Amino acid sequence: GAVVSQHPSRVICKSGTSVKIECRSLDFQATTMFWYRQFPKQSLMLMATSNEGSKATYEQGVEKDKFLINHASLTLSTLTVTSAHPEDSSFYICSASSATGELFFGEGSRLTVL
Amino acid sequence: DAKTTQPPSMDCAEGRAANLPCNHSTISGNEYVYWYRQIHSQGPQYIIHGLKNNETNEMASLIITEDRKSSTLILPHATLRDTAVYYCIVRLGGGNQGGKLIFGQGTELSVKP
Repeated sequence: GAVVSQHPSRVICKSGTSVKIECRSLDFQATTMFWYRQFPKQSLMLMATSNEGSKATYEQGVEKDKFLINHASLTLSTLTVTSAHPEDSSFYICSASSATGELFFGEGSRLTVL
Repeated sequence: DAKTTQPPSMDCAEGRAANLPCNHSTISGNEYVYWYRQIHSQGPQYIIHGLKNNETNEMASLIITEDRKSSTLILPHATLRDTAVYYCIVRLGGGNQGGKLIFGQGTELSVKP
């Protein structure tokens, strides 16, 4: 079964609203989680690295005020897309690193902004 | 930027071995080679990883050249369900812990009946 769970798997929202996506490690503690974005027929693009109890590290070109990341516990990280617009429509995927260094990916969350 | 190059697409006959090549000529001594695959609209699935030695598990085998500048993922008996995009990734950050994965474009493998 899945060891990293994302919720919701699909979300549709109106332009200008904010959307929160959760990423949970189900049976291990993850000190580090990663957030990716994937557009159709493209590869995964790393957005940010989320460390428990500290501020996220964003990749170049990713707006930290636009994509708010919170990693409040060892099993939960959240990504909030603020004031979403149609160009933010994408497949958002998280991954979590276990203590042994294995990286597990969630099932992804498809965001559609109308 | 991704540190790997892969052919964009490959075909394989069902039941035959699929050999997926990957070049990583700038790999550092403490960087691992990881392979993941992604079936359409799903999260990536871990396949295998290695440092220097060849590795085998229930899914695949990983052959790494002695100079570590390239590797090959082998699916010994490909099935239609193995149709996916396969990503070869050099894991940054050193060692086997905590490094982020930077995805390249991958190889789209089509297994045909």
